[in-house]
Amino acid sequence: DVKVTQSSRYLVKRTGEKVFLECVQDMDHENMFWYRQDPGLGLRLIYFSYDVKMKEKGDIPEGYSVSREKKERFSLILESASTNQTSMYLCASRRLAAGELFFGEGSRLTVL
Amino acid sequence: EDKVVQSPLSLVVHEGDTVTLNCSYEVTNFRSLLWYKQEKKAPTFLFMLTSSGIEKKSGRLSSILDKKELFSILNITATQTGDSAIYLCAVEEGAGNMLTFGGGTRLMVKP
Repeated sequence: DVKVTQSSRYLVKRTGEKVFLECVQDMDHENMFWYRQDPGLGLRLIYFSYDVKMKEKGDIPEGYSVSREKKERFSLILESASTNQTSMYLCASRRLAAGELFFGEGSRLTVL
Repeated sequence: EDKVVQSPLSLVVHEGDTVTLNCSYEVTNFRSLLWYKQEKKAPTFLFMLTSSGIEKKSGRLSSILDKKELFSILNITATQTGDSAIYLCAVEEGAGNMLTFGGGTRLMVKP
C-alpha cells in the first residue's frame, strides 16, 4: 500500500520560531510537492521537487524553503514563522509527470 | 488571475439528489485534469481526464472533460451522506510537473 507520511499532524509554534515539516514517501516517486490549504482557497503550491537536491518555486514560496537531500524525503522549512502561516500543510508525491498525486494526512500548523 | 475555478463554492442537497460540480480552467499547455475527494484528511483520487468527451465512471460518480470549452464536470447521482466532502479539481500543464488546484466545492448531503 502506497504511503506518504507527514511527521507531525498538529503543531503549535510561536511567531519567529523555526519550523520543520517532514514528509517521507515509500513509492520511489521522483516528484514531491508541498501545498498549503486554506478555506475557500483550495490547495496552493508552495514548492515542488522533481529530483534529489532539485526544487522549483510554486505559487506562494515567500516565507518558506525546502530541502530534498534524499529521494524519499522532502522537508518544508519556515525560517521565522508568522501568524499568516497558520494553515493546513499537505505533502504529496507522484511518479515523474504521470498520474495521480498521493497525499499525506496533512500537518495542521498554528502560529501564535 | 485564477487558472482553475470551481463552482459552486458550496452546495447542500438531500440524500438521493443528483449533483453536478464544475471546474473551468485556463492554462496554456494542458496535459490532464484530476478530481479529488477530501473528507477529514488527505485528498483521495477520483479521476484523471486527458481526452475530451470520454466519460470516466466509478459507481455513482462520473466525470467528463471538454477541452474546447475548457471545463470538466463531476456528477454524483443518488447522493448519500458519505458523499459529503470537499471536491477538488486540479489541472496539470506544461512539462507535467505542476498541478494547479481550484478552490474546491464543499458538498453537504443531508439525510
